[in-house]
Amino acid sequence: NAGVMQNPRHLVRRRGQEARLRCSPMKGHSHVYWYRQLPEEGLKFMVYLQKENIIDESGMPKERFSAEFPKEGPSILRIQQVVRGDSAAYFCASSPLTGNQNTGELFFGEGSRLTVL
Amino acid sequence: AQKITQTQPGMFVQEKEAVTLDCTYDTSDQSYGLFWYKQPSSGEMIFLIYQGSYDEQNATEGRYSLNFQKARKSANLVISASQLGDSAMYFCAMREDTGGFKTIFGAGTRLFVKA
Repeated sequence: NAGVMQNPRHLVRRRGQEARLRCSPMKGHSHVYWYRQLPEEGLKFMVYLQKENIIDESGMPKERFSAEFPKEGPSILRIQQVVRGDSAAYFCASSPLTGNQNTGELFFGEGSRLTVL
Repeated sequence: AQKITQTQPGMFVQEKEAVTLDCTYDTSDQSYGLFWYKQPSSGEMIFLIYQGSYDEQNATEGRYSLNFQKARKSANLVISASQLGDSAMYFCAMREDTGGFKTIFGAGTRLFVKA
């Protein structure tokens, strides 16, 4: 019973390079969320996706960041031309939301820690 | 707009004693969910407890209980009989049930359990 799988767990990039973070939700979950966590801070909402749809991207920076959740394959958070300020832990979570049938609890991956040199 | 406030950056508690972690929220929705998550030093996020806005009784899960005061918009976490393994960051979170089910988190409270 695999949980939410994120990879890579650790990623090092130089300024100006691209970072791609992947997230495979739990089996049967069709909702994916991405959060960013800076050291000693809380989780900041970035984007909420369903298969092939971006539902809410109000937390995504307007430039350089994009996310997708294709019909097949994992969700991907892409950061172009990374800067030092992008260094953070990026958490993916999935949910089996089906109306009122459950709590909507988020199931988290272990996070991907991006370091920009 | 949604907002979650945790006013205690850090808390100390003696082992075996109870501790309350504060959380207040702001929403105009009538239907919402409130959550607490634990993040130990290893970094993973662990779900602890859930309270629905229409639930009349406070949620309990083992040593965790949620003191839900709807009129005050507070959802404090009570940990009874603290253990050394409870030392961690604790995050309060809220999900509104209209407009997309987005879940937002508070800034967190770091709990230190003393032997």
